Amino acid sequence: EVQLVQSGAEVKKPGESLKISCKGSGYSFNTYWIGWVRQMPGKGLEWMGFIYPGDSDTRYSPSFQGQVTISADKSISTAYLQWSSLKASDTAIYYCARRRYSISSDDYWGQGTLVTVSS
Amino acid sequence: QSVLTQPPSVSAAPGQKVTISCSGSSSNIGNNFVSWYQQLPGTAPKLLIYENNKRPSGIPDRFSGSKSGTSATLGITGLQTGDEADYYCGTWDSSLSAGVFGGGTKLTVL
Repeated sequence: EVQLVQSGAEVKKPGESLKISCKGSGYSFNTYWIGWVRQMPGKGLEWMGFIYPGDSDTRYSPSFQGQVTISADKSISTAYLQWSSLKASDTAIYYCARRRYSISSDDYWGQGTLVTVSS
Repeated sequence: QSVLTQPPSVSAAPGQKVTISCSGSSSNIGNNFVSWYQQLPGTAPKLLIYENNKRPSGIPDRFSGSKSGTSATLGITGLQTGDEADYYCGTWDSSLSAGVFGGGTKLTVL
C-alpha cells in the first residue's frame, strides 16, 4: 500500500527555522517526484515545487523560489520542506504528494502538516 | 489570484447532476493534461480524475472529466450529501515550468 506520512504539527515564532518531512512507503521512492502544496487557512491549494529523489532534481514555483528549500534523503525514503526564517504568513497546512512524471497528476497525498507561526 | 479559473461555488439537489468548469490558457490546459481533486472537509486532497478523463481505481463512474481547448469540466451525477467538498482542477504550466491549481469550487448538495 502506497503511503506518504508527514511529520506532526509545529508551532514556531517568526524568524525561527523549520524542516518538515514526508516519508514514502509501499513504492519505489526514487522513481516518483515528491511535491509540496500549501493551503493557507480557508484558502485554496498552491503548488510550491517538487523533487525527484533519484537524482535530486528540484524545481520550484516562481512564487516560492528562494522562500523555501526542498530536499530528499533517498536512503530513508523521506522528502523535506524547510524554511530558514519563518514569517507569520507561512502559517498553513503543507501537503506532500507524489507524481510519476513532472507533468502528471498527484496520485497519493500525505495527511498534511499544520505549521503555525505566531509570536 | 489563481492561474486557473473556477467558479467559487456550485449547488444542486441530491440525485441531480452538476458540472464544474476550469478555464486556463494555451500554456497550461491547452497543452497539458488536466487533473481534478476532491477535498472533503478537514482532509487531504484526493485524486478524482487524471489525464483529462481517466478515473483512478475506486473512483465511481458518477465522476467524469472532459477537456476542450483551454477549458476543462468535471461532472458529477447522482449527487450525494457525501459529495459535499471543495473541488480543484490542476495541471502543468509550461511557461511557468510549475504545477498550477484552480482556486477551488465548493459543492453544496442541498
